[in-house]
Amino acid sequence: DTGVSQDPRHKITKRGQNVTFRCDPISEHNRLYWYRQTLGQGPEFLTYFQNEAQLEKSRLLSDRFSAERPKGSFSTLEIQRTEQGDSAMYLCASSLERGGGYTFGSGTRLTVV
Amino acid sequence: AQRVTQPEKLLSVFKGAPVELKCNYSYSGSPELFWYVQYSRQRLQLLLRHISRESIKGFTADLNKGETSFHLKKPFAQEEDSAMYYCALRLDSNYQLIWGAGTKLIIKP
Repeated sequence: DTGVSQDPRHKITKRGQNVTFRCDPISEHNRLYWYRQTLGQGPEFLTYFQNEAQLEKSRLLSDRFSAERPKGSFSTLEIQRTEQGDSAMYLCASSLERGGGYTFGSGTRLTVV
Repeated sequence: AQRVTQPEKLLSVFKGAPVELKCNYSYSGSPELFWYVQYSRQRLQLLLRHISRESIKGFTADLNKGETSFHLKKPFAQEEDSAMYYCALRLDSNYQLIWGAGTKLIIKP
C-alpha cells in the first residue's frame, strides 16, 4: 500500500500518560496535515507542515500537543498528560500541491480512560 | 467566522431516486470547495472539487457564490453510494480545510 500510513490504529491510555502517533505520507507529497475528529463531527484542523517546516498550528491546540516532521518525510504527533477530552480519531493527510485534494490515512483512534 | 454547514445529518432515498446533499458556507473571500466521502470501514477520500468541474461516480457539484452553496447532486442514486459525505472549504489565505459535520447517505433498495 503506497498510501498514507498511520500507526498505531488504536491506542488506549490512562489519563495523564503521554502518547505519540506516527504518520508516513505519500513519498512525493511535501504537504502534511494533522486533523482530529470526534463522533458526529467533521475533521478539525490541528497543524500543517510543508516539508519539515510547521507553517500553521490551530489555536485550539494546547501546549500539550506537539508535532514534528524532522526530515520532511514522516511526522509524529505527541500528546502530553492526556485528558479524557483528547479521546478522538487523529487523522493524517498529505498532498502534493496547495490546490490538490488530500490523501488521508486510516487514522489513529485514541481512547483516554 | 468561516463555517461550513451541512443541514442534514441523515438522508435516506430509494435506489434510482435523485440525491442532493446540501452544503452552505460562510466566507467572504475566494473559496475552494471540496466534497469528501467515507465508505463503511474505509478512509476519507476526495470525491470532487469545484475547480475541476468534473463528475465523479455520477456526482456533480456547482459552486454558487450568490447563495454560498456547493450542493452535491446525483440524478439516480445507487446502493453503493451509501456513505458519509463531508463538504469542506479551503480559505484563500491559508492551508487548512474547514469541514462540515457530514451527512450520512443511505440508499434503500
